[in-house]
Amino acid sequence: QSVLTQPPSVSGAPGQRVTISCTGSSSNIGAGYDVHWYQQLPRAAPKLLIYDNTNRPSGVPDRFSGSKSGTSAFLAITGLQAEDEADYFCQSYDSSLSSVVFGGGTKVTVL
Amino acid sequence: QVRLQQWGAGLLKPSETLSLTCSIYGGSFSGYYWTWIRQPPGKGLEWIGEITHSGSTNYKPSLRSRIIISVDTSKKQFALKVNSVRAADTAVYYCAIGGRSSGYFLWGQGTLVTVSS
Repeated sequence: QSVLTQPPSVSGAPGQRVTISCTGSSSNIGAGYDVHWYQQLPRAAPKLLIYDNTNRPSGVPDRFSGSKSGTSAFLAITGLQAEDEADYFCQSYDSSLSSVVFGGGTKVTVL
Repeated sequence: QVRLQQWGAGLLKPSETLSLTCSIYGGSFSGYYWTWIRQPPGKGLEWIGEITHSGSTNYKPSLRSRIIISVDTSKKQFALKVNSVRAADTAVYYCAIGGRSSGYFLWGQGTLVTVSS
């Protein structure tokens, strides 16, 4: 059971928009800790996709965007492409656990 | 080219000690946390702990009694030891650099560690 809750899977047709939620609590996202998002392609290490809730590292397409509201954060992928098929994880910090925490991951399938 | 290269034993028996090392190439990143994260097969990511350039550590509380993270700044290396491993410690272990306020922007290639009798 992950501290941050993500849907196990989302899917969409090429060109569509999909959104992944990351729901936490008052001791992590709701406490103001930043949320970061990672993309993990099959058999590869995770790659930082969004940092500090909304920022994209250099080289990440602007099709990926992040937002945060209350105790939740969201990753949106617009103009879905076949290469976006991957697992996506959110990450924050939890003050009650004194630990960095991750979501359980969401598998994105391009139909 | 900035990269992390990690290595260590991949097959252990229960009660043995897991030992991994991560080397930093192309940068120093002294202002960030040097971190270990693991991923059991088919599952999500789990933060294990971190160390700073000066040697200050933070560990996941549930693992604190069994883990040690150390640093050798002269070699730009940091290491993970997990004592008394069990089957539940089977995972791909990653070293990474970043922090709770910046995300982990640099990752090692991962090392699969299997604990089996």
